[in-house]
Amino acid sequence: GALVYQYPRRTICKSGTSMRMECQAVGFQATSVAWYRQSPQKTFELIALSTVNSAIKYEQNFTQEKFPISHPNLSFSSMTVLNAYLEDRGLYLCGARPRTDTEVFFGKGTRLTVV
Amino acid sequence: GDSVTQTEGLVTLTKGLPVMLNCTYQTTYSPFLFWYVQHLNEAPKLLLKSSTDNKRTEHQGFYATLHKSSSSFHLQKSSVQLSDSALYFCALKAGGYKVVFGSGTRLLVSP
Repeated sequence: GALVYQYPRRTICKSGTSMRMECQAVGFQATSVAWYRQSPQKTFELIALSTVNSAIKYEQNFTQEKFPISHPNLSFSSMTVLNAYLEDRGLYLCGARPRTDTEVFFGKGTRLTVV
Repeated sequence: GDSVTQTEGLVTLTKGLPVMLNCTYQTTYSPFLFWYVQHLNEAPKLLLKSSTDNKRTEHQGFYATLHKSSSSFHLQKSSVQLSDSALYFCALKAGGYKVVFGSGTRLLVSP
């Protein structure tokens, strides 16, 4: 089956520092990887969408300078939260798709706490 | 732009009762809708999906019908169980690989 692994599952960082999270697709080719943030209110915010052989597209309110993403191959993606502050807290979910006619396969997320 | 609206933030029900969770959407593309369920500390998982107008799709006792005329894809179940307590998200394929999500509905089922 199609699985997505995310690590670390939980991380705590000091305000102003950075942390990197990773996403691994197993059992399928992650042609596209979307990074979402799930807020304490549980809503999903799309941060950016990365499709192999295309530029990474960031949503409004999110920038490459703050959330740089790497998607070097069809099984791996990483995202860094630079200079994290309290408002960056939340569950960061990686969602990968092999094709445009399939659903998104999600990892369990990386929960970021900023202290 | 493309968007999904879920009007209920929280639905509480007693076991055995029917439920309907609302989902409406706006898109300039041909709609492809999903329902995801997220249990506590788990990844969101696909529950249902559809791109066919007026065709009911079912899975694990849940069902939904895409109605393009009303831009809706409401999720229903005839008899909820305690294990159905979870977060439910409606999502829309918004062109290419982009998928946008609604704000989610928390379903709480009591004994």
